[in-house]
Amino acid sequence: DAGVIQSPRHEVTEMGQEVTLRCKPISGHDYLFWYRQTMMRGLELLIYFNNNVPIDDSGMPEDRFSAKMPNASFSTLKIQPSEPRDSAVYFCASSRDRDHGYTFGSGTRLTVV
Amino acid sequence: GESVGLHLPTLSVQEGDNSIINCAYSNSASDYFIWYKQESGKGPQFIIDIRSNMDKRQGQRVTVLLNKTVKHLSLQIAATQPGDSAVYFCAENRGEGGADGLTFGKGTHLIIQP
Repeated sequence: DAGVIQSPRHEVTEMGQEVTLRCKPISGHDYLFWYRQTMMRGLELLIYFNNNVPIDDSGMPEDRFSAKMPNASFSTLKIQPSEPRDSAVYFCASSRDRDHGYTFGSGTRLTVV
Repeated sequence: GESVGLHLPTLSVQEGDNSIINCAYSNSASDYFIWYKQESGKGPQFIIDIRSNMDKRQGQRVTVLLNKTVKHLSLQIAATQPGDSAVYFCAENRGEGGADGLTFGKGTHLIIQP
């Protein structure tokens, strides 16, 4: 089992550009979560999916953020346009159900300059 | 609002000693709790979990205690090793009707002194 796979590991982009983060969950996991981690705010849940359907996106900061899960093995988090305050580490996690520990990916460190 | 918080941001212990990391939660509806370990440059790693119908659970060198009366969670690490140095997060999952995503505390940085 390769675990949760995220790409890219690092992303540096200029303000105003579109950024797409990618995630491949563990096979058989029905839940997928996107988190953002900053020093000031810690780990924040942005959105989560159950069986590819978005369930709760109340943590998405604003309309510049969008997430999709076209199939059970792939999800994207898109920021358009990006801003310096979006700089953070973005984690994807998956779980087979809500009552089991989530497995996190290694994260994508995003820097917007 | 309701949140998960930690008492101590940094904890330094001697190698071989036992450590205790504490966490306070305020959501009485939470029914599932997890401790995660995060090393520099890596994602959070699952350590141990506990459900609200239990007050203690043991793993390998780790024990989680849950006190629902005072809404307190602790992680005990026995015979600490250099590899235990990391940031530790407690997380809660609210009960039925609440969001399914975990809510994380701010974290405690555990430093193991040689």
